[in-house]
Amino acid sequence: AQTVTQSQPEMSVQEAETVTLSCTYDTSESDYYLFWYKQPPSRQMILVIRQEAYKQQNATENRFSVNFQKAAKSFSLKISDSQLGDAAMYFCAYRSALRGSQGNLIFGKGTKLSVKP
Amino acid sequence: DTGVSQDPRHKITKRGQNVTFRCDPISEHNRLYWYRQTLGQGPEFLTYFQNEAQLEKSRLLSDRFSAERPKGSFSTLEIQRTEQGDSAMYLCASSLAGNDQPQHFGDGTRLSIL
Repeated sequence: AQTVTQSQPEMSVQEAETVTLSCTYDTSESDYYLFWYKQPPSRQMILVIRQEAYKQQNATENRFSVNFQKAAKSFSLKISDSQLGDAAMYFCAYRSALRGSQGNLIFGKGTKLSVKP
Repeated sequence: DTGVSQDPRHKITKRGQNVTFRCDPISEHNRLYWYRQTLGQGPEFLTYFQNEAQLEKSRLLSDRFSAERPKGSFSTLEIQRTEQGDSAMYLCASSLAGNDQPQHFGDGTRLSIL
């Protein structure tokens, strides 16, 4: 069974600074997708960024980028130029790419990010 | 399209009562997922529909839980004889077919058992 581990329950960053959130995962599959989701307090979960395992190039979405290390099974999220609106719970998630799998997301426990003005 | 909507946002009930939640997915999405999220944890998969067919159920979904998606549109999740341990946020997500398609989440229904 696949597992996702986020070892940082809480992180803090100064506004305009850069922060990196860690995620490791365990799987025997070779093809899969990895995601970072953001869940602001009392608001819905939204997709921040995703990475296809077969792609070597790290995904980037504006101020958000990932460091995907497939051999190490590591998938960290870097947030540059942090803004107050970035404060939220961040979840790392895994999804199988196997044909016929139900495609549910497997989530880590999350990292609570605080942004200091 | 307004995204995935869930109703109610909050539900407070006494132990032993039955509750039903509703999820309206994004209209063109044929996949619908239910997750449960307890305090301090990430969401955990409960069940999954492709159109009206319920294709997978997690071992977390005990006999007291039932989900339906008539006509492949909205879905309902019912919990019978609620227990304290059922207190959680119940999240619904929808997507197009294909594991490469992103899941879009609703705001969730927060269930509190007295």
